[in-house]
Amino acid sequence: NAGVTQTPKFRILKIGQSMTLQCAQDMNHNYMYWYRQDPGMGLKLIYYSVGAGITDKGEVPNGYNVSRSTTEDFPLRLELAAPSQTSVYFCASTPGAISEQYFGPGTRLTVT
Amino acid sequence: EDKVVQSPLSLVVHEGDTVTLNCSYEVTNFRSLLWYKQEKKAPTFLFMLTSSGIEKKSGRLSSILDKKELFSILNITATQTGDSAVYLCATTNAGGTSYGKLTFGQGTILTVHP
Repeated sequence: NAGVTQTPKFRILKIGQSMTLQCAQDMNHNYMYWYRQDPGMGLKLIYYSVGAGITDKGEVPNGYNVSRSTTEDFPLRLELAAPSQTSVYFCASTPGAISEQYFGPGTRLTVT
Repeated sequence: EDKVVQSPLSLVVHEGDTVTLNCSYEVTNFRSLLWYKQEKKAPTFLFMLTSSGIEKKSGRLSSILDKKELFSILNITATQTGDSAVYLCATTNAGGTSYGKLTFGQGTILTVHP
């Protein structure tokens, strides 16, 4: 089991560029989540999904989009990157809504 | 809006000391409270608490939940330098369209000096 994997590990974007952060899990978990963590802060929920084809906004969805066409994959799309999106992005999955969440290793994104 | 507040924000101790980290919450449709440890990478799971008054224990770490007063504590006894990390508290919400989402506190930075 690879668990939750994320690519890339690091990325530098210029303002206005777009990119997709990849997240995959091989544990057959229905629930998947995207968080961002700014320096010295806790994690804030961007989007989440309770199953293939179902997504919903979290606390800070502006500037991001997601899709969930399969159980395994939950990509996060940034359109028109802004410096405020400089952060570390974590993807997580869980088999059930009240189970522990398993986190990926994170993607460190810098927008300049 | 759901809210999770941790205190203190940072703590510096010496090896062998005992520390208590606090987490208070205001959450609609509360289901559980989780503690994570984060050391410069992804958070790793420590405990999940769903019932009041039942202590969960793992080695030198223990945690308890008070659902009446809406708080939890994480205790670490005989601290070691390897305990230095950010400790995150989070709650899960099982209501309506927020099902399963985690709301995190801002974290407590623990530094243990030799």
